[in-house]
Amino acid sequence: QVQLQESGPGLVKPSETLSLTCSVSGTSITGYYWNWIRRPPGKGLEWIGYVYLGGNTNTNPSLKSRVTVSVDASKNQFSLNLRSVTAADTAIYYCARLVGATDNIDYWGQGTLVTVSS
Amino acid sequence: SYELTQPPSVSVSPGQTATITCSGDKLGTKYTSWYQQKPGQSPVVVISQDTRRPSGIPERFSGSNSGNTATLTISGTHAMDEADYFCQAWDITTVVFGGGTKLTVL
Repeated sequence: QVQLQESGPGLVKPSETLSLTCSVSGTSITGYYWNWIRRPPGKGLEWIGYVYLGGNTNTNPSLKSRVTVSVDASKNQFSLNLRSVTAADTAIYYCARLVGATDNIDYWGQGTLVTVSS
Repeated sequence: SYELTQPPSVSVSPGQTATITCSGDKLGTKYTSWYQQKPGQSPVVVISQDTRRPSGIPERFSGSNSGNTATLTISGTHAMDEADYFCQAWDITTVVFGGGTKLTVL
């Protein structure tokens, strides 16, 4: 079955870069849209960005200048880099598979809490 | 940028019908999905493409979408349905979530 697993530091200092990796099993990463989504404490879900079809990406306009989403097909993984973080970036970060354009998310990782603090 | 608006909270008595709305400009021309998220868990899709109920989702969950509003309806609400619910749509090439609605069953 399809499984997604986030990994990365749980604590990042302000102004530094948050880096997470999502390992995908049970399906090839060369299809679908692979997303990063976060949920800050007490707030709702926020879409961060996706990568699909050999490396094409799109990101939330509100985060665009700080976000890079990339894929490593050889490892069946995709990654998130979020630069110049502040306390407002503290959240549970999820990786997720989106079936296709106009479709829904069908698989989610368990989520990983990232705290931005000195 | 495109925005989806949901009521922050909805309350319902067990066995009654819960209705959660999601509003956006010409939302009826886009597919809307609905996700349920319980504390400490990842979201789960309960309605996709406006009205489709994925395998394993109880029949009491249904959806509709017309004009500027998509609606999630839970008929005969159970205590286990208490959760946060998020609508989601595509705006051309970006993914948009509503702010979320906390459903309380009391």
